Amino acid sequence: EIVLTQSPATLSLSPGERATLSCRASHSVSIYLAWYQQKPGQAPRLLIYDASNRATGIPARFSGSGSGTDFTLTISSLEPEDFAVYYCQQRSNWPPWTFGQGTKVEIK
Amino acid sequence: QVQLQESGPGLVKPSETLSLTCTVSGGSISGYYWSWIRQPPGKGLQWIGYIYYSGSTNYNPSLKSRVTISVDTSKNQFSLKLSSVTAADTAVYYCARDGSITGYYGMDVWGQGTTVTVSS
Repeated sequence: EIVLTQSPATLSLSPGERATLSCRASHSVSIYLAWYQQKPGQAPRLLIYDASNRATGIPARFSGSGSGTDFTLTISSLEPEDFAVYYCQQRSNWPPWTFGQGTKVEIK
Repeated sequence: QVQLQESGPGLVKPSETLSLTCTVSGGSISGYYWSWIRQPPGKGLQWIGYIYYSGSTNYNPSLKSRVTISVDTSKNQFSLKLSSVTAADTAVYYCARDGSITGYYGMDVWGQGTTVTVSS
């Protein structure tokens, strides 16, 4: 099973600041990594798929990069609605698909 | 647009079988993969398994001995059964659309989730 490790666990930033979230895989997942945003009491929302493709309706301030074992989600300028928990998820050749433990982006 | 809705009992007794259904509306179940994911209280996400509309499945090995996912294309529904449940199976259960045979775009549609508590 591929383990995804997200860092940091918590990111304390102010609106307007840049957020950089990391996801590291225990084995290469090629580009098969997605990012999700989850707010309290809500289902996760797809942001990025296949490492760098924004999902439909996702603002351009969200961008993804990386391949192999190291991936980054960048939020260029935090809006108030961006404070949430972010998960990465891999879909390598063989299941199980796995998720990282999450990074909480909180208001400083 | 496509919407998903989970349904089923919110309380299940230990050792019994948890049964949930996900109803797809606003679109067809055909041509897509459909996943179940769960989230224990205050914890992260765990993928349970997926089913293709034709009926082929793939399960998380950690749950494989207890999980069955099935599909009913006539009702535009797919279902989850998890047997021999314990308190560790208490979680919010989500269904999600998980790609198609023609392309993969992430788990792009999710249900709102349903809370299942395992308790006597």
